[in-house]
Amino acid sequence: NAGVTQTPKFQVLKTGQSMTLQCAQDMNHEYMSWYRQDPGMGLRLIHYSVGAGITDQGEVPNGYNVSRSTTEDFPLRLLSAAPSQTSVYFCASSDRGEETQYFGPGTRLLVL
Amino acid sequence: SQQGEEDPQALSIQEGENATMNCSYKTSINNLQWYRQNSGRGLVHLILIRSNEREKHSGRLRVTLDTSKKSSSLLITASRAADTASYFCATDDVSGGSYIPTFGRGTSLIVHP
Repeated sequence: NAGVTQTPKFQVLKTGQSMTLQCAQDMNHEYMSWYRQDPGMGLRLIHYSVGAGITDQGEVPNGYNVSRSTTEDFPLRLLSAAPSQTSVYFCASSDRGEETQYFGPGTRLLVL
Repeated sequence: SQQGEEDPQALSIQEGENATMNCSYKTSINNLQWYRQNSGRGLVHLILIRSNEREKHSGRLRVTLDTSKKSSSLLITASRAADTASYFCATDDVSGGSYIPTFGRGTSLIVHP
């Protein structure tokens, strides 16, 4: 199993550009989530999903969209990138009834 | 807002010493987890302790939970240079209805060889 994979590993955007961060898992987990990690702030939840077709907002959802059309994939879309979105983004998944989160390797995003 | 807060923010010790880090949280929980993050990597689950447990061991790790004080501690015994990493506690929220845990800001541990 590959676990949780994320692409790209690193991305540079200009202010106002849009992009999609990809996340996929091959463990048939129902729950998936997106976090951002900033220095001194720990991990903050952006959006999460408890199953295909179901998404909900986390602590810091503004400026991001998500969808969950399949169990495996949970892309994160930046609609109009801003310098404040410069961060490291982590995708995680977990199984229903299991609390352990499995994390991807992260995507480093720099918005100029 | 973040549920758990780790203390200290940074910890520097010598190889062979014990490392203790603490986590305080605000609301009632079902369980508390500890994760480890090596520099530039994703988080890796270490151990989970449920609200009806007081202590749990896994190898060189010992976790305690005091629900009356809303706090937990992670003890790493006989630290090694390879234990250098950031450590995060994560809690669920029985009142929030979220299926996803929330994380604290972490403790950065440096173990000098």
